[in-house]
Amino acid sequence: GENVEQHPSTLSVQEGDSAVIKCTYSDSASNYFPWYKQELGKGPQLIIDIRSNVGEKKDQRIAVTLNKTAKHFSLHITETQPEDSAVYFCAASIGNNDMRFGAGTRLTVKP
Amino acid sequence: EAGVVQSPRYKIIEKKQPVAFWCNPISGHNTLYWYLQNLGQGPELLIRYENEEAVDDSQLPKDRFSAERLKGVDSTLKIQPAELGDSAVYLCASSPGHWKEETQYFGPGTRLLVL
Repeated sequence: GENVEQHPSTLSVQEGDSAVIKCTYSDSASNYFPWYKQELGKGPQLIIDIRSNVGEKKDQRIAVTLNKTAKHFSLHITETQPEDSAVYFCAASIGNNDMRFGAGTRLTVKP
Repeated sequence: EAGVVQSPRYKIIEKKQPVAFWCNPISGHNTLYWYLQNLGQGPELLIRYENEEAVDDSQLPKDRFSAERLKGVDSTLKIQPAELGDSAVYLCASSPGHWKEETQYFGPGTRLLVL
């Protein structure tokens, strides 16, 4: 079936450094790619998303890039802060309204 | 605007007991999802409702799991009887339901521990 692979599973960076999380997907019909941040004891919260008609989207310190030919997309966080520490999930749309999630990346930002 | 509401937030039960989770989606959202999230994993879809109709329940273990969304708003997910392997977080999400590939908004989840 359709699959979303996410790497790395854990990522530790120093405060102020950049963090990059990468995902690949298998369904060529996928057109919508959201990123979620999940803090301990909470549900996933949307932080940024991108659709297949654009290659890059930026929102302050967060950016997402999409390469539809290669079927991969990435999350970039610049100037990381301790409050960025959380688990991040990528996802890809499957069919009309279903979503397949990656396994998550645990990001730790060390002060 | 209130987000997706779920209750209870935590539940501890003994195996073979029944358990039920409740979800109230964002007002006006027609599509409602129930997901299972195991420790260290991403959410996995159990069932999706469009209004009161279950349009995708292929991943719902129907021998012990059931769900309903009678009036197209609130939804209940039930497990009977619960097994040790059901310990996980059960997430509810909703989306407007007006177009394809919409953003899904998640509730805080119900953390289930089966002893």
